Amino acid sequence: DADVTQTPRNRITKTGKRIMLECSQTKGHDRMYWYRQDPGLGLRLIYYSFDVKDINKGEISDGYSVSRQAQAKFSLSLESAIPNQTALYFCATSESGTGAPGGYTFGSGTRLTVV
Amino acid sequence: DQQVKQNSPSLSVQEGRISILNCDYTNSMFDYFLWYKKYPAEGPTFLISISSIKDKNEDGRFTVFLNKSAKHLSLHIVPSQPGDSAVYFCAAGDFGNEKLTFGTGTRLTIIP
Repeated sequence: DADVTQTPRNRITKTGKRIMLECSQTKGHDRMYWYRQDPGLGLRLIYYSFDVKDINKGEISDGYSVSRQAQAKFSLSLESAIPNQTALYFCATSESGTGAPGGYTFGSGTRLTVV
Repeated sequence: DQQVKQNSPSLSVQEGRISILNCDYTNSMFDYFLWYKKYPAEGPTFLISISSIKDKNEDGRFTVFLNKSAKHLSLHIVPSQPGDSAVYFCAAGDFGNEKLTFGTGTRLTIIP
C-alpha cells in the first residue's frame, strides 16, 4: 500500500456541487497538507494540520474546507464547486513542517474537473 | 507575490551532460530548501535538501548549491539520464513557520 492514498484519482463534477477529496496516510506523521497544482503556478497550499485539533488556512483556502478525522485521515471539501477549482490536488504528510529531514510524502493526486 | 521562483519553465539536455535547474527566492527567513521530482500522474517525490548553514549537498548524481547572499539555489544532475525527464520543483521553508512554499516547476527533458 502507498504511504499516502488519495481518493478518488479522477473526478468530474458540476458547478455548485459539494465534493470531498479524501486522504489517508500510513506514515504515522502528525502533519498533513493539501496542495493544489495549476499549470504555471506550481503547488499552492490550501490547508494544513498539525494534529486532529489543529487546522490552519494556507494561501488559497477560500472556497475550501477540511476535516481531520484522525491522525491518519485528512479530507478536503469544496462546498460549492466552481470551474476555476479545476486542478490537480495533492495531499502530503511530513515529520516536520519544513520537511526535514526527508521531505514531504505526497499522494498520487486527484484530478478534479468542474464543469 | 511569488516568494519562490523558477524562471525556466522548461529545459532540454543531452543524455550524459549536466542538467542545471535554478531557483530564486525572496524571503530571507527561509532556512531550509528542497527539490522534488514529479512524473506525470504521480505525486512529487523528495529528491534532495539543504539547510541554510550549508552551501552544498550531494547525493549521488544530484548536487544542490545554495547561495544565500544571492537568494539562489540550483540543482545539478550529472550525468543526466533519460529517467531524469520530469518536472522539478524547488521548495523553501523556515523552521519557525512550519510549511513549505513551492516554485512553479521546470520541465526537464533529457534527449537520448
